[in-house]
Amino acid sequence: DGGITQSPKYLFRKEGQNVTLSCEQNLNHDAMYWYRQDPGQGLRLIYYSQIVNDFQKGDIAEGYSVSREKKESFPLTVTSAQKNPTAFYLCASSTSGGDQPQHFGDGTRLSIL
Amino acid sequence: DAKTTQPPSMDCAEGRAANLPCNHSTISGNEYVYWYRQIHSQGPQYIIHGLKNNETNEMASLIITEDRKSSTLILPHATLRDTAVYYCIVRVVEWSSNTGKLIFGQGTTLQVKP
Repeated sequence: DGGITQSPKYLFRKEGQNVTLSCEQNLNHDAMYWYRQDPGQGLRLIYYSQIVNDFQKGDIAEGYSVSREKKESFPLTVTSAQKNPTAFYLCASSTSGGDQPQHFGDGTRLSIL
Repeated sequence: DAKTTQPPSMDCAEGRAANLPCNHSTISGNEYVYWYRQIHSQGPQYIIHGLKNNETNEMASLIITEDRKSSTLILPHATLRDTAVYYCIVRVVEWSSNTGKLIFGQGTTLQVKP
C-alpha cells in the first residue's frame, strides 16, 4: 500500500546528541514536509522540500537540518543546538502544485533523557 | 493564509450526524478549505477539501457558504472511532508550485458518545 513511513515511533536523545528521524514515502510525491507538534498545540512547519536536492526553511528551522538526496526520503536531524527538542514530529508529502492535500505519517515522539 | 475559528469542543451521539462548523471570514479567492482530523498520538488524517462548491466523499461532506466565509464538515453517521480533534484549514493554492504550509489552529475536539 502507498503511504508515508516514519521511524522510529519513539526516540530518546541525550543532552548534546544529534538524532535523525526517518521519513520515507512511496506515493511518488515531489514535495515533503516536516512539522513539529507540542502538547495541545497545532503543527508548526520546520522544513519543506519541493524537489530533490532542494529544501527551504519553515517557521522554526533553528536547531534542525534536513537533506533530500532521493525523492522518496526526507530525513530530519535534530541537532544539539535545538534546546527544546521534546515534541511529536510529523512528516508529510504531497504533489507539487495544485490543490491536492498533504498526507501525513504516524509521527515520531522524541524525548530527552 | 486566512485564519479559521472553530469551537473548542463538541459532543455527538453515536449514529447521528456530526456537524462541525468553521469560520474563515477573511478567506481570499484562491484559498481552499481543507479538513483534517487527528486521533491521539497519530498523524493528521486528510478528510476533504473544497473551493466553493459542496463536496462529498466516502468519509464526509463539506458545505461551503455562498460567500465562502464559513463551512461545515458533516460526518453523516458518527461512530466512536470518529472521536478526534478536527482541524479546519484554509490554504492558498498555487498551481505552479506548492509552498505547502498548513496552519493548524486548535481545532475542535469531537467526542462521540454511545
